[in-house]
Amino acid sequence: NAGVTQTPKFQVLKTGQSMTLQCAQDMNHEYMSWYRQDPGMGLRLIHYSVGAGITDQGEVPNGYNVSRSTTEDFPLRLLSAAPSQTSVYFCASSKIMNTEAFFGQGTRLTVV
Amino acid sequence: GENVEQHPSTLSVQEGDSAVIKCTYSDSASNYFPWYKQELGKRPQLIIDIRSNVGEKKDQRIAVTLNKTAKHFSLHITETQPEDSAVYFCAASTDDYKLSFGAGTTVTVRA
Repeated sequence: NAGVTQTPKFQVLKTGQSMTLQCAQDMNHEYMSWYRQDPGMGLRLIHYSVGAGITDQGEVPNGYNVSRSTTEDFPLRLLSAAPSQTSVYFCASSKIMNTEAFFGQGTRLTVV
Repeated sequence: GENVEQHPSTLSVQEGDSAVIKCTYSDSASNYFPWYKQELGKRPQLIIDIRSNVGEKKDQRIAVTLNKTAKHFSLHITETQPEDSAVYFCAASTDDYKLSFGAGTTVTVRA
């Protein structure tokens, strides 16, 4: 049981490039989410999904897309990277609403 | 949307003393209040949570209190140890799967 797995762990992008951050969980959790963590700002919700085929926007969705074709996977796509997207990104999953969120190990993204 | 404020942003305590972190929330419909601990370079991990139908919850040296009328909740760590040094985040949620986090408190336990 690996829990929540994110790849890559580190990434450097040039402004304007696109990329996909991968997130997979093997706990059969229905709820998955993406957060970004910036100094002094806590964790801010980007997008979330309550099940396969269902996604919705969080607090800071602009510049990001998500899809949920399976229960296990929830990739985050950066469409055209900007320096403001330099951050640490965490994927998380929960079994049901308002229960423990299990986080992945994070992806440190730098956009130059 | 929900707004969660957390104080203080940094906290330094002597080993063995207590640490208290306070959070306030804006949405009176919030009913779930978890606390996460994040060690340096690691992922956040749940340490304790409380629901709106409970005023206090304790787990060994950690306790959380909730005041729904005032819309604030607090984390109490007693007999602090060096391994308690970390960043602590409070969060609040209604029945919509959206967790709103505070900005975090960096706790340093001095030996």
